[in-house]
Amino acid sequence: TQLLEQSPQFLSIQEGENLTVYCNSSSVFSSLQWYRQEPGEGPVLLVTVVTGGEVKKLKRLTFQFGDARKDSSLHITAAQPGDTGLYLCAGSIQGAQKLVFGQGTRLTINP
Amino acid sequence: DAGVTQSPTHLIKTRGQQVTLRCSPKSGHDTVSWYQQALGQGPQFIFQYYEEEERQRGNFPDRFSGHQFPNYSSELNVNALLLGDSALYLCASSIGRRGYSPLHFGNGTRLTVT
Repeated sequence: TQLLEQSPQFLSIQEGENLTVYCNSSSVFSSLQWYRQEPGEGPVLLVTVVTGGEVKKLKRLTFQFGDARKDSSLHITAAQPGDTGLYLCAGSIQGAQKLVFGQGTRLTINP
Repeated sequence: DAGVTQSPTHLIKTRGQQVTLRCSPKSGHDTVSWYQQALGQGPQFIFQYYEEEERQRGNFPDRFSGHQFPNYSSELNVNALLLGDSALYLCASSIGRRGYSPLHFGNGTRLTVT
């Protein structure tokens, strides 16, 4: 059973377009993190959101945590080829030490 | 400042054999977590070590075991290897045991079981 569902699983768009990746669950998370993973490397943390409704921006990337802390989204404006990679959301459940990862969204930005 | 280092980077084993993977955490980090990432999937939590003890475990059989040393480095051992154990094994370090403490991942060990 996948606790965190990411959509879409694959996305291929042209440079300059906008996109949104979704991360949904029926469980409540005390925090949610987004990671990006390049081939042959481990995931690298992009952002952590903790408060329901929280919005964080990282240059052209906007992250939002749902009001009920069950879902999150990642929006990229004017995508660039350097944004290509596997984007992973990961949630932390209150009282648990582990992170639960979604299956990832493989993003390809074509020049 | 060295990040998380894992060894070896690649490993090929035969079914039934045993394997040991090693991890050195980022400087200043005292907690090590291990994840298994199958091809095309997100990482799955195996277990976490803090103060040389296993603190939490994911849904993995007892064939998977680990150890943390006084210098915070860690080992992951897998016995009686199965074909399905083929995956990228990721080590992540953090500070303390809080769930929202950012994880710093190594580049993983790619294990192939034939």
